[in-house]
Amino acid sequence: DQQVKQNSPSLSVQEGRISILNCDYTNSMFDYFLWYKKYPAEGPTFLISISSIKDKNEDGRFTVFLNKSAKHLSLHIVPSQPGDSAVYFCAASPGRTGANNLFFGTGTRLTVIP
Amino acid sequence: KAGVTQTPRYLIKTRGQQVTLSCSPISGHRSVSWYQQTPGQGLQFLFEYFSETQRNKGNFPGRFSGRQFSNSRSEMNVSTLELGDSALYLCASSWESGYEQYFGPGTRLTVT
Repeated sequence: DQQVKQNSPSLSVQEGRISILNCDYTNSMFDYFLWYKKYPAEGPTFLISISSIKDKNEDGRFTVFLNKSAKHLSLHIVPSQPGDSAVYFCAASPGRTGANNLFFGTGTRLTVIP
Repeated sequence: KAGVTQTPRYLIKTRGQQVTLSCSPISGHRSVSWYQQTPGQGLQFLFEYFSETQRNKGNFPGRFSGRQFSNSRSEMNVSTLELGDSALYLCASSWESGYEQYFGPGTRLTVT
């Protein structure tokens, strides 16, 4: 049972434009959400996170939006750069309650075209 | 600060054998979690260790086990290997449970 879903396996965007990656979750107990980026043959790299008490968090070119009522979050990358090409994973956690297991989506492969 | 390190990076084993993978967390991090990544199932949580105690466990059979040492280094063991255990095994560390986890490069295990 996939509790975190990324319905788009791939996304292509022109350099300089906005990339929007989407993620949906089903478990209402999740209250901490993270985005990771992964290159081949490497472990996931932490990008940005958001707690359920917020609806937006920004870090440079990366912004994560959370819509709790829709159980949906998205990652915006502006402007997109060729070096952003990677697989992006959305992850959710029951939060800072002592449970450290992350539930991952299946990933979206982003290709930024120069 | 050095990142999370995992050894070995690649491993080939035969069905029925056992294997031990090692993980050294980022200095100061006390929580170590293990994940399995396969093409079919994606990234799945195995277990978490904190202060040498297993704090949380995913839905994997008892053939998968782990431990953590007093210096926070962790090992995971898989006994009686099956072909389906072929995967990338990732270790992640965090300062405390519920905080951002930082991943190592993984150990690619192939079972033949």
